[in-house]
Amino acid sequence: AQSVAQPEDQVNVAEGNPLTVKCTYSVSGNPYLFWYVQYPNRGLQFLLKYITGDNLVKGSYGFEAEFNKSQTSFHLKKPSALVSDSALYFCAPLLGGSTLGRLYFGRGTQLTVWP
Amino acid sequence: NAGVTQTPKFQVLKTGQSMTLQCAQDMNHEYMSWYRQDPGMGLRLIHYSVGAGITDQGEVPNGYNVSRSTTEDFPLRLLSAAPSQTSVYFCASSYLGIAKNIQYFGAGTRLSVL
Repeated sequence: AQSVAQPEDQVNVAEGNPLTVKCTYSVSGNPYLFWYVQYPNRGLQFLLKYITGDNLVKGSYGFEAEFNKSQTSFHLKKPSALVSDSALYFCAPLLGGSTLGRLYFGRGTQLTVWP
Repeated sequence: NAGVTQTPKFQVLKTGQSMTLQCAQDMNHEYMSWYRQDPGMGLRLIHYSVGAGITDQGEVPNGYNVSRSTTEDFPLRLLSAAPSQTSVYFCASSYLGIAKNIQYFGAGTRLSVL
């Protein structure tokens, strides 16, 4: 069975500090993994994705994610957090193989960056 | 530069009423989908479509109906609204396949069923 876990409902960091939002997954076949962000009262926005190749993926707004096959993880990171990064973050594997487009979302992690 | 447009933004229904949530995209995407978002539950897939005339069920399809007569439009119908359908609904679209797969989301419809 496919699954994705975001073990922390909330992550709180001080502005300027590094941040990590954790994600672990269980999918059959090659994992295609995505991170999306949701700002208050908005739809979701794409941040980055891992398809194949380099395990460190760079995305929008200075975010990056590290794919670790042995630990089945895809943690989202940023070296220096901004207050404007405060939002709800979702990890999502892409299911159905290369011809389909179904995203399977985790429950989300609320990131709060305080000044 | 419209992207994915959802209407209405807000709706209040009484139990048993029916309504249609509209979704339109102008990016010529093959794939369209509907999700509902509930607190602590993340987003759950209701129905999806890989092209005009083709639809399929997601994780939580009961009580909802969809059709895809054109590439651009993917309406979601609530047949007989129930309080359990109180939620925020998002429509999304994307190209099929891995290389170009980035899903674009609408701004959402906040639905309350009394």
